[in-house]
Amino acid sequence: QVQLVQSGAEVKKPGASMKVSCQASGYTFTDYHINWVRQATGQGLEWMGWINPDSGNTAYAQKFQGRLTINRNTSISTAYMELSSLRFEDTAVYYCARGTRGFLDYWGQRTLVTVSS
Amino acid sequence: QSALTQPASVSGSPGQSISISCTGISNDVGSYSVVSWYQQHPGKVPKVIIFGGSKRPSGVSDRFSGSKSGNTASLTISGLQAEDEADYYCFSYASSGTWVFGAGTKVTVL
Repeated sequence: QVQLVQSGAEVKKPGASMKVSCQASGYTFTDYHINWVRQATGQGLEWMGWINPDSGNTAYAQKFQGRLTINRNTSISTAYMELSSLRFEDTAVYYCARGTRGFLDYWGQRTLVTVSS
Repeated sequence: QSALTQPASVSGSPGQSISISCTGISNDVGSYSVVSWYQQHPGKVPKVIIFGGSKRPSGVSDRFSGSKSGNTASLTISGLQAEDEADYYCFSYASSGTWVFGAGTKVTVL
């Protein structure tokens, strides 16, 4: 069965960087994009970017350009999302999600990142 | 890219039908309709309920249906049930390889 398992919760200080991992299993990792989505408490879903694990090509929402890096390690079927220069407003639940034919069919279990001084 | 526009809330009584609109869909959609809809119960992971504009994944109730006209997509829930009370989000291609969610709609079953 398809599973996306994310790394655990993190607490970061403003200005620091965060890196969340997403390990895929149950399918061929390089056949599907991995997307990253976040959700602040009480707020809506926000698409951040995706990676094509096969080619390594990425696309990022304009809002995160310059602060967001998505990469992958195909040998361990894992995608990574790194967000730098963290701000209080980056406190959110972060999800990875598998993308296929324009929709997100499987989601990770979530990773809570808290930015606090 | 701003979030797609959805009504903040929609409500209905059990058994009724409700619709949620999603406007601002890009016309740059290539050869297939790329609107999908997600249901999210409080504290839960979002779940896809409509993809390709109108298709339902296996296991999703046929009470959920989707349509698209021009730059507006719609999700209709017929025979509203208590378990349908949740947040709903549309998701679509924006431009230059990027995607965007709608702002979300809270559905309340009266």
